[in-house]
Amino acid sequence: TQLLEQSPQFLSIQEGENLTVYCNSSSVFSSLQWYRQEPGEGPVLLVTVVTGGEVKKLKRLTFQFGDARKDSSLHITAAQPGDTGLYLCAGKGSGNTGKLIFGQGTTLQVKP
Amino acid sequence: KAGVTQTPRYLIKTRGQQVTLSCSPISGHRSVSWYQQTPGQGLQFLFEYFSETQRNKGNFPGRFSGRQFSNSRSEMNVSTLELGDSALYLCASSLLGVQETQYFGPGTRLLVL
Repeated sequence: TQLLEQSPQFLSIQEGENLTVYCNSSSVFSSLQWYRQEPGEGPVLLVTVVTGGEVKKLKRLTFQFGDARKDSSLHITAAQPGDTGLYLCAGKGSGNTGKLIFGQGTTLQVKP
Repeated sequence: KAGVTQTPRYLIKTRGQQVTLSCSPISGHRSVSWYQQTPGQGLQFLFEYFSETQRNKGNFPGRFSGRQFSNSRSEMNVSTLELGDSALYLCASSLLGVQETQYFGPGTRLLVL
């Protein structure tokens, strides 16, 4: 069974601080996705990383895929209150299906 | 173009009842996946439909079922509701499945009393 462990589960920081969220597994994934979910809404895709060692940047967000494609991280620089939300990593399961395996999520609160 | 729509958005049922949730994918998308989200278990995969056929199924009891129509709209049904079925049910659509980006709907919040 493929599992993804996300840490930390909760994070409360002040505006302007930096943070990193980790997503780890003992399994290899063909790709990993990061989503952000706001209350009352479905997850919205932020980025997909496919190649081991890949780094992608989305404004103040930096995503990295581990060399062995078993882990990923999300780093936010100078967090802002608008970054508040639930961050989810998800890996595509084996086989050509629409199945995504999600981590438990990291709830981020950025205080002004 | 319009996003994924789910109806109803909120639902209250009692134990033992059954419920049907609906999902309309983005126009042209043929794959629809369903997920259950709870605070304790997070997001868990229920099943995926592609061209009216169930292509993959998660580890949920047989009380959870689904179907897809020729216009790609999908429904999921939960029979004999239990308190533990209270959750946010999300559907996601994509063009062809896992190789494509999945777009999530806002979800249906189900409360079982």
